[in-house]
Amino acid sequence: DVKVTQSSRYLVKRTGEKVFLECVQDMDHENMFWYRQDPGLGLRLIYFSYDVKMKEKGDIPEGYSVSREKKERFSLILESASTNQTSMYLCASSLTNEQYFGPGTRLTVT
Amino acid sequence: GENVEQHPSTLSVQEGDSAVIKCTYSDSASNYFPWYKQELGKGPQLIIDIRSNVGEKKDQRIAVTLNKTAKHFSLHITETQPEDSAVYFCAASGWGGSNYKLTFGKGTLLTVNP
Repeated sequence: DVKVTQSSRYLVKRTGEKVFLECVQDMDHENMFWYRQDPGLGLRLIYFSYDVKMKEKGDIPEGYSVSREKKERFSLILESASTNQTSMYLCASSLTNEQYFGPGTRLTVT
Repeated sequence: GENVEQHPSTLSVQEGDSAVIKCTYSDSASNYFPWYKQELGKGPQLIIDIRSNVGEKKDQRIAVTLNKTAKHFSLHITETQPEDSAVYFCAASGWGGSNYKLTFGKGTLLTVNP
């Protein structure tokens, strides 16, 4: 079974803090994705990576950056957290189009 | 880019009834259409998918139909059970190569009343 794990289920940070969200997959997948999920807006793609050290912007990259130093790990970075980044963050990985999701991190920025 | 519309946003049915969720997409080049189920407190999980060379696919109580001409696809759940209650997302993408990004609909909250 594919396993995608995220470092925290719940996170509370203050405005202006630098925030790291970590995602690890154990199936040697090339592709990894970060989404945010908000009520009524569905899943929106922030960034994705199709190889180590490779990344591409998704639909809403503003205010975020990513890092992929190892194939199994994909990190989402909020350089200076703001209240409008309060959301559920979902990581996914895939070999082809079938994406496997982690359980999500609910981030609250106060 | 691709745009996926999903309806309805909420759906309430009685146990044993059928449920249908519909999606339309805009990019005629899309040829892969998965459906995800998200239970409370969990990440989305793939439940069924269809590729454009197939018009219908079935897996026990779940079926998906695709009409490429009209650019719409639907999820059908028969004999619904309380454990089917969840948020369902449709999505669309190309297949293979660099076309592995999924564009998701906004989701449907399905409630099955016992």
